[in-house]
Amino acid sequence: DGGITQSPKYLFRKEGQNVTLSCEQNLNHDAMYWYRQDPGQGLRLIYYSQIVNDFQKGDIAEGYSVSREKKESFPLTVTSAQKNPTAFYLCASSTWTGGRYEQYFGPGTRLTVT
Amino acid sequence: SQKIEQNSEALNIQEGKTATLTCNYTNYSPAYLQWYRQDPGRGPVFLLLIRENEKEKRKERLKVTFDTTLKQSLFHITASQPADSATYLCALDPSANFGNEKLTFGTGTRLTIIP
Repeated sequence: DGGITQSPKYLFRKEGQNVTLSCEQNLNHDAMYWYRQDPGQGLRLIYYSQIVNDFQKGDIAEGYSVSREKKESFPLTVTSAQKNPTAFYLCASSTWTGGRYEQYFGPGTRLTVT
Repeated sequence: SQKIEQNSEALNIQEGKTATLTCNYTNYSPAYLQWYRQDPGRGPVFLLLIRENEKEKRKERLKVTFDTTLKQSLFHITASQPADSATYLCALDPSANFGNEKLTFGTGTRLTIIP
């Protein structure tokens, strides 16, 4: 059963703690992405990676970090430096196929920091 | 700066009618435009992609148009059903080439089909 998995679905943390969100894909896609979704603001790109051991900052990278040591895995760490970490986090992957691509999304992780 | 707007935050349509959602953009020249569906608490799901040189694309009850002069895409659902109720997102893709795969998403329109 191919797809993207994110775990856990719900995550609660105390302010000041770092937390790592998991994202795994078995679609053999080269590119992976992390988005944040807040009410009324749509999807905002945090980080993306087009190849193993390489990644680029998106539009709102401050307070986040990522790694891409394996093609199938792209974990996101929300650090204590992120001012408003409570949000719905979405991981996605994509591949170039026949002159087009679309992004495949995971089910998301809802992070609440108090 | 680049800006994408989806015509309304929420849209209510009577079952059986055609729902039309709008995506407008400025300061942008996308090669492709994509539409996604998102159900509450779930990740978006890809629906349709239209290229800049295509005027219209259809898939079952869905139709997308792309007017690069008006900088607008329209997304139509004909014979709408309550199961079509969801948030619909448009996304702009600036490049037809591999190596520049950043999409820019609109804020979405929450569509409710009333029985």
